[in-house]
Amino acid sequence: AQSVTQPDIHITVSEGASLELRCNYSYGATPYLFWYVQSPGQGLQLLLKYFSGDTLVQGIKGFEAEFKRSQSSFNLRKPSVHWSDAAEYFCAVGAKSGGGADGLTFGKGTHLIIQP
Amino acid sequence: DTEVTQTPKHLVMGMTNKKSLKCEQHMGHRAMYWYKQKAKKPPELMFVYSYEKLSINESVPSRFSPECPNSSLLNLHLHALQPEDSALYLCASSQDPGLGNYGYTFGSGTRLTVV
Repeated sequence: AQSVTQPDIHITVSEGASLELRCNYSYGATPYLFWYVQSPGQGLQLLLKYFSGDTLVQGIKGFEAEFKRSQSSFNLRKPSVHWSDAAEYFCAVGAKSGGGADGLTFGKGTHLIIQP
Repeated sequence: DTEVTQTPKHLVMGMTNKKSLKCEQHMGHRAMYWYKQKAKKPPELMFVYSYEKLSINESVPSRFSPECPNSSLLNLHLHALQPEDSALYLCASSQDPGLGNYGYTFGSGTRLTVV
């Protein structure tokens, strides 16, 4: 079974500083990988996803992530954070099985705090 | 239309009530999902429908009953719930990766409170 580890429960970053959120996954083959963001009381918004091909993936809101197979990692980065980026961030993994009907397994999430 | 729409957004129900959550998508996705999310926790998978057939049931209590009337709609029928069932219920849909771009889209959720 697949699993996801987000080692940082909370991260505090100054506005304008760079950001990296860590994600490590466990899966027997190349998985589907996702990053979602969730504001309080809201649903999940997809930031970016990786299935195959270029290991550096560009997403919305200036986010990017890099898939590193050798490290089983899919870390999320942003060069300069804005106060509106404060939210909960979830990394998720899905299995590459036939039919495409796969539940996602989520990490526990990283709570991002932006200080002025 | 690139959205998953969930209704209602908020629901308060008593432990003896029967209610239903609804989910709709018009992206042509053939897989639909229900997730449950407790406060400060990640979403947890409850049910998966693939081509309108239930393919995964993650040992969810029978007081939760899913239904997929057609490829665009997904319902979750609730009966005799407990206060610990209070949570955010998220619906999602996805496209078969074999068809190309693998979209996996979540709705904004129904905030359920059981009193």
